Amino acid sequence: QQQVKQSPQSLIVQKGGISIINCAYENTAFDYFPWYQQFPGKGPALLIAIRPDVSEKKEGRFTISFNKSAKQFSLHIMDSQPGDSATYFCAASMRGNAGKSTFGDGTTLTVKP
Amino acid sequence: SQTIHQWPATLVQPVGSPLSLECTVEGTSNPNLYWYRQAAGRGLQLLFYSVGIGQISSEVPQNLSASRPQDRQFILSSKKLLLSDSGFYLCAWQRQGGLYEQYFGPGTRLTVT
Repeated sequence: QQQVKQSPQSLIVQKGGISIINCAYENTAFDYFPWYQQFPGKGPALLIAIRPDVSEKKEGRFTISFNKSAKQFSLHIMDSQPGDSATYFCAASMRGNAGKSTFGDGTTLTVKP
Repeated sequence: SQTIHQWPATLVQPVGSPLSLECTVEGTSNPNLYWYRQAAGRGLQLLFYSVGIGQISSEVPQNLSASRPQDRQFILSSKKLLLSDSGFYLCAWQRQGGLYEQYFGPGTRLTVT
């Protein structure tokens, strides 16, 4: 079974702090690593994604750090805001697999004001 | 721009009743289509995917079936619902040959009583 292991399961951060969510994968054939954000009662939405040929990608307050040798990647949310409170899923996919993604189990982030 | 629709938004059905959930995508052609189920507070379980009209692959043996009668229409069905079929059902689409990001619909909350 191809797995993506995500941690922590839940995270509480003060407003203005840094939120860090980690994921680890096993299959070195994965070549695309997206993060999705899901608010309660809504479908997940693509937040940011990275390919393994770069070690970091930044979009606004959101940064993905990628460590190919360790087979790990993480999402950093800088200056966390209460509006960032949501569930975050990491995922991994590869070519030739009908576009299927393997998802982590999710991290519920709560940002306290 | 592309849009994905799901209906109904919520559904309460008795055990043993049939089910039909519909998903349609606008603004793209020949997408990959996916059905996921999300239990409360849990991750995303891939149920079915389709790479073309009439082409359905099942990920998990279960009480559900899927069909793709038109290029941008994906239907999830059951002949007799079980209590365990309750959950949040999400449809997603993806460009074939794209960067593997998936775009999710708003979801259907199904409660089987």
